[in-house]
Amino acid sequence: AQSVTQPDIHITVSEGASLELRCNYSYGATPYLFWYVQSPGQGLQLLLKYFSGDTLVQGIKGFEAEFKRSQSSFNLRKPSVHWSDAAEYFCAVGRDNYGQNFVFGPGTRLSVLP
Amino acid sequence: KAGVTQTPRYLIKTRGQQVTLSCSPISGHRSVSWYQQTPGQGLQFLFEYFSETQRNKGNFPGRFSGRQFSNSRSEMNVSTLELGDSALYLCASSLAGNEQYFGPGTRLTVT
Repeated sequence: AQSVTQPDIHITVSEGASLELRCNYSYGATPYLFWYVQSPGQGLQLLLKYFSGDTLVQGIKGFEAEFKRSQSSFNLRKPSVHWSDAAEYFCAVGRDNYGQNFVFGPGTRLSVLP
Repeated sequence: KAGVTQTPRYLIKTRGQQVTLSCSPISGHRSVSWYQQTPGQGLQFLFEYFSETQRNKGNFPGRFSGRQFSNSRSEMNVSTLELGDSALYLCASSLAGNEQYFGPGTRLTVT
Protein backbone atom coordinates (compact mmCIF):
# COMPACT_ATOMS: atom_id res chain seq x y z
CA ALA A 1 0.00 0.00 0.00
CA GLN A 2 1.15 3.50 -0.67
CA SER A 3 1.79 6.19 1.96
CA VAL A 4 2.74 9.85 1.96
CA THR A 5 4.55 12.02 4.45
CA GLN A 6 4.80 15.77 4.46
CA PRO A 7 7.40 16.55 7.12
CA ASP A 8 6.46 20.20 7.56
CA ILE A 9 3.14 20.88 9.25
CA HIS A 10 3.42 24.65 8.94
CA ILE A 11 5.77 26.87 6.94
CA THR A 12 6.00 30.65 6.98
CA VAL A 13 7.72 32.58 4.21
CA SER A 14 7.91 36.23 3.26
CA GLU A 15 6.19 37.43 0.14
CA GLY A 16 8.62 37.29 -2.77
CA ALA A 17 10.73 34.56 -1.18
CA SER A 18 11.17 31.15 -2.71
CA LEU A 19 9.24 28.15 -1.45
CA GLU A 20 9.82 24.43 -1.24
CA LEU A 21 7.29 22.04 0.28
CA ARG A 22 8.49 18.52 0.91
CA CYS A 23 6.71 15.30 0.08
CA ASN A 24 8.00 11.77 0.54
CA TYR A 25 6.11 8.71 -0.57
CA SER A 26 6.27 5.00 -0.19
CA TYR A 27 5.06 2.82 -3.03
CA GLY A 28 6.43 -0.32 -4.60
CA ALA A 29 5.80 0.56 -8.21
CA THR A 30 5.99 3.72 -10.27
CA PRO A 31 3.64 6.11 -8.55
CA TYR A 32 1.22 8.68 -9.79
CA LEU A 33 2.00 11.84 -7.82
CA PHE A 34 -0.09 14.94 -7.28
CA TRP A 35 -0.06 18.23 -5.48
CA TYR A 36 -3.32 19.90 -4.46
CA VAL A 37 -3.97 23.24 -2.80
CA GLN A 38 -6.83 24.05 -0.47
CA SER A 39 -7.65 27.65 0.34
CA PRO A 40 -9.68 28.40 3.47
CA GLY A 41 -13.29 27.42 3.01
CA GLN A 42 -12.59 25.88 -0.36
CA GLY A 43 -12.21 22.45 -1.86
CA LEU A 44 -9.02 21.06 -3.33
CA GLN A 45 -7.53 22.33 -6.56
CA LEU A 46 -5.03 20.29 -8.56
CA LEU A 47 -1.73 22.14 -8.98
CA LEU A 48 0.20 19.54 -10.93
CA LYS A 49 0.69 15.84 -11.45
CA TYR A 50 3.40 13.41 -12.46
CA PHE A 51 2.86 10.12 -14.22
CA SER A 52 6.02 9.53 -16.24
CA GLY A 53 8.53 11.26 -18.46
CA ASP A 54 10.27 14.48 -17.55
CA THR A 55 10.83 14.51 -13.81
CA LEU A 56 10.34 18.27 -13.56
CA VAL A 57 6.66 19.05 -13.82
CA GLN A 58 5.15 22.48 -14.36
CA GLY A 59 1.80 23.31 -12.84
CA ILE A 60 -0.59 26.17 -12.47
CA LYS A 61 0.02 29.38 -10.53
CA GLY A 62 3.77 29.23 -11.18
CA PHE A 63 4.37 26.03 -9.23
CA GLU A 64 6.64 23.19 -10.25
CA ALA A 65 7.60 19.87 -8.70
CA GLU A 66 10.47 17.50 -9.19
CA PHE A 67 10.18 13.73 -8.98
CA LYS A 68 13.26 12.07 -7.50
CA ARG A 69 12.90 8.33 -7.54
CA SER A 70 16.12 7.71 -5.60
CA GLN A 71 14.82 9.85 -2.74
CA SER A 72 11.16 8.87 -3.06
CA SER A 73 10.35 12.55 -3.10
CA PHE A 74 8.11 14.90 -5.02
CA ASN A 75 8.84 18.37 -3.66
CA LEU A 76 6.81 21.39 -4.69
CA ARG A 77 8.58 24.65 -5.49
CA LYS A 78 7.79 28.22 -6.39
CA PRO A 79 10.47 30.84 -7.05
CA SER A 80 8.54 33.80 -5.68
CA VAL A 81 5.60 33.43 -3.30
CA HIS A 82 2.57 35.73 -3.46
CA TRP A 83 0.32 36.52 -0.51
CA SER A 84 -2.51 34.67 -2.28
CA ASP A 85 -0.49 31.43 -2.05
CA ALA A 86 -1.29 31.16 1.65
CA ALA A 87 -3.23 27.91 1.87
CA GLU A 88 -2.89 24.24 2.75
CA TYR A 89 -0.99 22.03 0.36
CA PHE A 90 -1.52 18.32 0.01
CA CYS A 91 0.66 15.79 -1.70
CA ALA A 92 -1.03 12.60 -2.90
CA VAL A 93 0.21 9.32 -4.32
CA GLY A 94 -1.79 6.84 -6.29
CA ARG A 95 -1.34 3.68 -8.26
CA ASP A 96 -3.23 5.31 -11.11
CA ASN A 97 -4.95 8.52 -12.04
CA TYR A 98 -8.14 7.68 -10.20
CA GLY A 99 -8.71 9.66 -7.04
CA GLN A 100 -10.37 6.76 -5.32
CA ASN A 101 -6.99 5.11 -5.16
CA PHE A 102 -5.11 8.08 -3.78
CA VAL A 103 -3.47 8.40 -0.41
CA PHE A 104 -3.20 12.00 0.68
CA GLY A 105 -0.46 13.39 2.89
CA PRO A 106 -1.36 15.24 6.09
CA GLY A 107 -0.87 18.61 4.45
CA THR A 108 1.44 21.59 4.94
CA ARG A 109 -0.04 24.92 5.90
CA LEU A 110 1.68 27.85 4.23
CA SER A 111 1.59 31.31 5.75
CA VAL A 112 2.92 34.30 3.82
CA LEU A 113 4.27 37.40 5.55
CA PRO A 114 3.81 40.76 3.83
CA LYS B 1 -19.06 26.12 -16.85
CA ALA B 2 -20.29 26.01 -13.25
CA GLY B 3 -18.13 24.16 -10.75
CA VAL B 4 -19.05 21.51 -8.24
CA THR B 5 -21.63 22.73 -5.76
CA GLN B 6 -22.34 21.29 -2.35
CA THR B 7 -25.25 22.01 -0.07
CA PRO B 8 -25.53 22.89 2.66
CA ARG B 9 -22.18 24.51 3.34
CA TYR B 10 -22.54 24.26 7.11
CA LEU B 11 -24.57 21.92 9.26
CA ILE B 12 -24.95 21.31 12.96
CA LYS B 13 -26.51 18.06 14.15
CA THR B 14 -26.92 16.20 17.39
CA ARG B 15 -25.54 12.76 18.16
CA GLY B 16 -27.89 10.02 17.01
CA GLN B 17 -29.46 12.08 14.26
CA GLN B 18 -28.97 11.45 10.60
CA VAL B 19 -27.85 13.86 7.89
CA THR B 20 -28.00 14.10 4.12
CA LEU B 21 -25.48 16.09 2.10
CA SER B 22 -25.89 16.98 -1.55
CA CYS B 23 -23.44 17.39 -4.39
CA SER B 24 -24.09 18.67 -7.89
CA PRO B 25 -21.24 17.80 -10.25
CA ILE B 26 -19.93 19.77 -13.18
CA SER B 27 -22.25 19.42 -16.13
CA GLY B 28 -21.35 16.34 -18.14
CA HIS B 29 -19.41 14.67 -15.34
CA ARG B 30 -20.69 11.21 -14.50
CA SER B 31 -18.43 10.30 -11.60
CA VAL B 32 -18.91 11.70 -8.12
CA SER B 33 -16.61 10.86 -5.24
CA TRP B 34 -16.96 11.74 -1.58
CA TYR B 35 -14.16 12.38 0.90
CA GLN B 36 -14.05 13.06 4.62
CA GLN B 37 -11.48 15.53 5.89
CA THR B 38 -10.62 15.75 9.60
CA PRO B 39 -7.61 17.20 11.43
CA GLY B 40 -6.75 13.81 12.87
CA GLN B 41 -7.25 11.50 9.91
CA GLY B 42 -6.73 13.91 7.04
CA LEU B 43 -8.41 13.25 3.72
CA GLN B 44 -10.06 9.87 3.39
CA PHE B 45 -11.98 8.42 0.49
CA LEU B 46 -15.58 7.45 1.27
CA PHE B 47 -17.07 6.19 -2.00
CA GLU B 48 -17.48 6.86 -5.68
CA TYR B 49 -20.56 6.73 -7.84
CA PHE B 50 -20.56 6.42 -11.59
CA SER B 51 -23.73 6.35 -13.66
CA GLU B 52 -25.88 5.78 -10.57
CA THR B 53 -23.80 2.80 -9.37
CA GLN B 54 -21.39 2.67 -6.48
CA ARG B 55 -18.11 1.78 -8.12
CA ASN B 56 -15.62 2.13 -5.27
CA LYS B 57 -15.91 2.22 -1.52
CA GLY B 58 -13.50 3.28 1.18
CA ASN B 59 -13.11 1.86 4.63
CA PHE B 60 -16.03 3.45 6.45
CA PRO B 61 -18.85 1.85 8.46
CA GLY B 62 -22.23 1.15 6.95
CA ARG B 63 -23.67 4.26 8.59
CA PHE B 64 -22.18 6.11 5.66
CA SER B 65 -24.09 5.62 2.45
CA GLY B 66 -24.75 7.42 -0.75
CA ARG B 67 -26.56 7.42 -4.01
CA GLN B 68 -26.46 9.04 -7.38
CA PHE B 69 -29.36 10.17 -9.47
CA SER B 70 -29.84 10.00 -13.21
CA ASN B 71 -28.72 13.63 -13.56
CA SER B 72 -25.45 12.67 -11.79
CA ARG B 73 -26.29 14.63 -8.65
CA SER B 74 -25.26 12.70 -5.60
CA GLU B 75 -26.31 12.56 -1.99
CA MET B 76 -24.43 11.22 0.99
CA ASN B 77 -26.19 10.07 4.11
CA VAL B 78 -24.81 9.46 7.57
CA SER B 79 -27.08 7.77 10.07
CA THR B 80 -26.78 7.63 13.84
CA LEU B 81 -24.30 10.47 13.96
CA GLU B 82 -21.32 10.27 16.30
CA LEU B 83 -19.12 13.08 17.55
CA GLY B 84 -16.29 11.70 15.43
CA ASP B 85 -18.29 12.31 12.28
CA SER B 86 -17.65 16.03 12.62
CA ALA B 87 -15.66 16.84 9.53
CA LEU B 88 -15.49 18.63 6.23
CA TYR B 89 -17.14 16.45 3.60
CA LEU B 90 -15.81 17.04 0.12
CA CYS B 91 -17.36 16.01 -3.13
CA ALA B 92 -15.38 15.68 -6.34
CA SER B 93 -16.66 15.16 -9.84
CA SER B 94 -14.95 13.90 -12.95
CA LEU B 95 -15.81 12.62 -16.36
CA ALA B 96 -14.85 9.04 -15.58
CA GLY B 97 -13.15 8.96 -12.16
CA ASN B 98 -9.88 10.71 -12.88
CA GLU B 99 -9.04 14.44 -13.10
CA GLN B 100 -11.22 15.28 -10.16
CA TYR B 101 -12.69 18.71 -9.49
CA PHE B 102 -13.56 19.37 -5.88
CA GLY B 103 -16.45 21.31 -4.41
CA PRO B 104 -16.08 23.68 -1.44
CA GLY B 105 -17.29 21.06 1.01
CA THR B 106 -19.93 20.78 3.71
CA ARG B 107 -18.77 21.45 7.24
CA LEU B 108 -20.65 19.06 9.56
CA THR B 109 -20.52 19.60 13.29
CA VAL B 110 -21.99 16.94 15.57
CA THR B 111 -22.77 18.00 19.14
